[in-house]
Amino acid sequence: DAGVTQSPTHLIKTRGQQVTLRCSPKSGHDTVSWYQQALGQGPQFIFQYYEEEERQRGNFPDRFSGHQFPNYSSELNVNALLLGDSALYLCASSLDGPSGPKTYEQFFGPGTRLTVL
Amino acid sequence: AQSVTQLGSHVSVSEGALVLLRCNYSSSVPPYLFWYVQYPNQGLQLLLKYTTGATLVKGINGFEAEFKKSETSFHLTKPSAHMSDAAEYFCAVSKAAGNKLTFGGGTRVLVKP
Repeated sequence: DAGVTQSPTHLIKTRGQQVTLRCSPKSGHDTVSWYQQALGQGPQFIFQYYEEEERQRGNFPDRFSGHQFPNYSSELNVNALLLGDSALYLCASSLDGPSGPKTYEQFFGPGTRLTVL
Repeated sequence: AQSVTQLGSHVSVSEGALVLLRCNYSSSVPPYLFWYVQYPNQGLQLLLKYTTGATLVKGINGFEAEFKKSETSFHLTKPSAHMSDAAEYFCAVSKAAGNKLTFGGGTRVLVKP
């Protein structure tokens, strides 16, 4: 049973560029959440997708956007990159739909390390 | 709004000694509480969770935590540290199943031989 997968593993961009990160949830899960973890800090919630809609959003600017596909996979897009966007981006999945009991915990992928120069 | 405070950004313990990591939270509703561990260059792995019921929760790798509502605490313990316990530990809170997690700043554990 594959867990949460993310791609790419590492990414280097320059200021002003745009980036897309990808996530495939754990098999059977239908909800995807994205977190940003700056160096030496705890993860910060960006947003959550369920049924292809953004359901919750944290305190992040509109430069951060996302998408969820019918197969439940998800993308995180960041426009106009800033140096401060350098971080580990974590994707987490959970089950919230009618096909089974909800999961209390979120299962995390290995993350994408984004460096903005 | 929910928040989590982890006392001590770094903890050093000797192999075989007690590991105690402190977590205090604030929440306007009965919380769900979690401890996650992060090894270098990896994602987060769930150690244990409290949702409802028994307030002493046992997790993987010999860890346990006790939910104390009166103290708004959820401290993590392990009786005997092992070298493989060296990692960063995060306490997190959410207000509903599958809801967004609010994390503390993390505690890095160093285990001395």
